[in-house]
Amino acid sequence: QKEVEQNSGPLSVPEGAIASLNCTYSDRGSQSFFWYRQYSGKSPELIMSIYSNGDKEDGRFTAQLNKASQYVSLLIRDSQPSDSATYLCAVIPAGGSYIPTFGRGTSLIVHP
Amino acid sequence: KAGVTQTPRYLIKTRGQQVTLSCSPISGHRSVSWYQQTPGQGLQFLFEYFSETQRNKGNFPGRFSGRQFSNSRSEMNVSTLELGDSALYLCASSPSQGETQYFGPGTRLLVL
Repeated sequence: QKEVEQNSGPLSVPEGAIASLNCTYSDRGSQSFFWYRQYSGKSPELIMSIYSNGDKEDGRFTAQLNKASQYVSLLIRDSQPSDSATYLCAVIPAGGSYIPTFGRGTSLIVHP
Repeated sequence: KAGVTQTPRYLIKTRGQQVTLSCSPISGHRSVSWYQQTPGQGLQFLFEYFSETQRNKGNFPGRFSGRQFSNSRSEMNVSTLELGDSALYLCASSPSQGETQYFGPGTRLLVL
């Protein structure tokens, strides 16, 4: 079974700090990786996607992908209280079904 | 572009009843996926439709069914509701299979 693992947290960081969220996956052939943010009681909102090894930056967010080690991470710079949410990692495994497997999410708390 | 829309947003039903949920994807998106989200199980994949055909199905009983219309709008139906069906039901659309999914606001179903 293809799995996506995330630490459930909560991860607590002070305002202005860098929050680092990690995700590991079991299917070595996976090609597409996504980070979503979900506020309590709301639906997941796409933050960014990444497909190649290395870093991808979008504003305060940086996704890092290492296929050899089978992990993808999300860095949030200058964390704000409004970043407090659950962050979901999603991976589309190899095999042709095209259906992403979601991790359980990491709860992030940014305190003033 | 307008986002994914789902109706109704909230539903209260009793055990044994049936329910139909509706999803309108982003204009031009042809793939629609449905997920069930509960605190205990996280995001669970129900099924995916593309070009009016069910392409993938998750591990849910036959009480859960769906369909997609020629305009890509999709409906899912749950018959003989059980207490355990209480959840947030999320619809996600993407331009095609395997591409980035965008979620609707969800339908929160409570079964009493």
